[in-house]
Amino acid sequence: DIQMTQSPSSLSASVGDRVTITCRASQSISSSLNWYQQRPGKAPKLLIYAASSLQSGVPSRFSGSGSGTDFTLTISSLQPEDFATYYCQQSYSTPRAFGQGTKVEIK
Amino acid sequence: QVQLVESGGGVVQPGRSLRLSCAASGFTFSTYGMYWVRQAPGKGLEWVAIIWYDGSNKYYADSVKGRFTISRDNSQNTLYLQMNSLRAEDTAVYYCAREGYSGSYLMDVWGKGTTVTVSS
Repeated sequence: DIQMTQSPSSLSASVGDRVTITCRASQSISSSLNWYQQRPGKAPKLLIYAASSLQSGVPSRFSGSGSGTDFTLTISSLQPEDFATYYCQQSYSTPRAFGQGTKVEIK
Repeated sequence: QVQLVESGGGVVQPGRSLRLSCAASGFTFSTYGMYWVRQAPGKGLEWVAIIWYDGSNKYYADSVKGRFTISRDNSQNTLYLQMNSLRAEDTAVYYCAREGYSGSYLMDVWGKGTTVTVSS
């Protein structure tokens, strides 16, 4: 099974900051990598699919990059509504494992 | 609009069974694969099971294999998760999600979740 590892597990940032979250797969998954945002008490929401494609309706301050085993989610200018937990997920093979999550908190 | 609504959660004793349902609306249910994903209190997301659009293939996480069964009724636009031999570690919010595809498989529509608590 493919394992997904995110870093950091949590971070503190201020409104307007540039934030980068990293996800590493235990083997190559090509570009089969998705990013989700989960606000407290809410269901996850798809942000980025196929490593770098922005889901419809998602603000352009979110972007994704990478291929193979190393991937990045970037928020170019953090907004108050972006304080949440972010998960990567591989869709290359079953089981479609998630990373452990990165909690973005207010500094 | 496109919507998924889970139901069937509750408090159940260890070793007992529970069946969750997920009612789909606003899209052609029979053309999409479907997932169950769970989240234990204070923990991350865990992929539980997937079923192909026509029910022909099903896959499970090792943690539930042999105890949980995913199924669907395309005539009723409903997804199910039969959970047997429940354990305390199965306590979680259970979400159903739709599998889309656009260059990669993705979970593009999620329900709000239903809570399962396994406790004596």
